Amino acid sequence: NAGVMQNPRHLVRRRGQEARLRCSPMKGHSHVYWYRQLPEEGLKFMVYLQKENIIDESGMPKERFSAEFPKEGPSILRIQQVVRGDSAAYFCASSPDRPPSYGYTFGSGTRLTVV
Amino acid sequence: DQQVKQNSPSLSVQEGRISILNCDYTNSMFDYFLWYKKYPAEGPTFLISISSIKDKNEDGRFTVFLNKSAKHLSLHIVPSQPGDSAVYFCAASTSLYSGAGSYQLTFGKGTKLSVIP
Repeated sequence: NAGVMQNPRHLVRRRGQEARLRCSPMKGHSHVYWYRQLPEEGLKFMVYLQKENIIDESGMPKERFSAEFPKEGPSILRIQQVVRGDSAAYFCASSPDRPPSYGYTFGSGTRLTVV
Repeated sequence: DQQVKQNSPSLSVQEGRISILNCDYTNSMFDYFLWYKKYPAEGPTFLISISSIKDKNEDGRFTVFLNKSAKHLSLHIVPSQPGDSAVYFCAASTSLYSGAGSYQLTFGKGTKLSVIP
C-alpha cells in the first residue's frame, strides 16, 4: 500500500465545514479511483479520473462532492458542507493505463469523522 | 441491491486448520473476481483473483474456487496462520481480465477472519 499515498490519514471536521482528501498515485500510474467505505459496509466506487479528466463519477453523491486530478499534483476529493453521514473511510486507488489482473493498488485511506 | 454478498460477517478458525470464506453474486455480467485482505487502519491488499473461464486458481496457501452456475465463489486458506487474521473482501468486475476497460469493482461487506493460535 505504500505506493499510493493518501493524506491526511485522519480528518475531523465539524458539520458544515469542508473536507479535502488528497491522493498521490503510484509512480507511473495515471488512473485514479476513489472508493468510500461506510461503517460495516464494503467499499463502494465513487469516481474514476485520469489526468485533468473525470472519466466516470457515477458513484459520487449529486451534491457537495467533487473530485479532480490536475496535471500537476495529487488528486483531490472535496466534500463541502460535511454532514455526519459523510463519516467514513475514503480510499484512493491507482492503476497504469491498462488495469492489471490484480485490479489496482489501494492507499491506506483517509478516515473522515464529522462531529 | 447488493450484487456481491458475503453472508458471514465473521469466522474463527484454529491455527493450522482450513479457513473457507464464501461469496455469492447476483450479476451475471461479472466475469472477474478478486479477493482482498484488509488489516485495521490499512487499505485493502490484493490477495488472489480468478477469471470466469476458470473454476480454480491457486497461489500458495490460498485457493479460490468459482462455481458459475451457482454464482458462488470461495476462498480456501490452508493451513491458516495467526497472521491471516484480517477482514477479507470479495470483489467482482466485468471485463477486467481482458483489459477492456472496466474499472469498477463491486465489493461485498467483508468477512472478519480470526485465526486462533
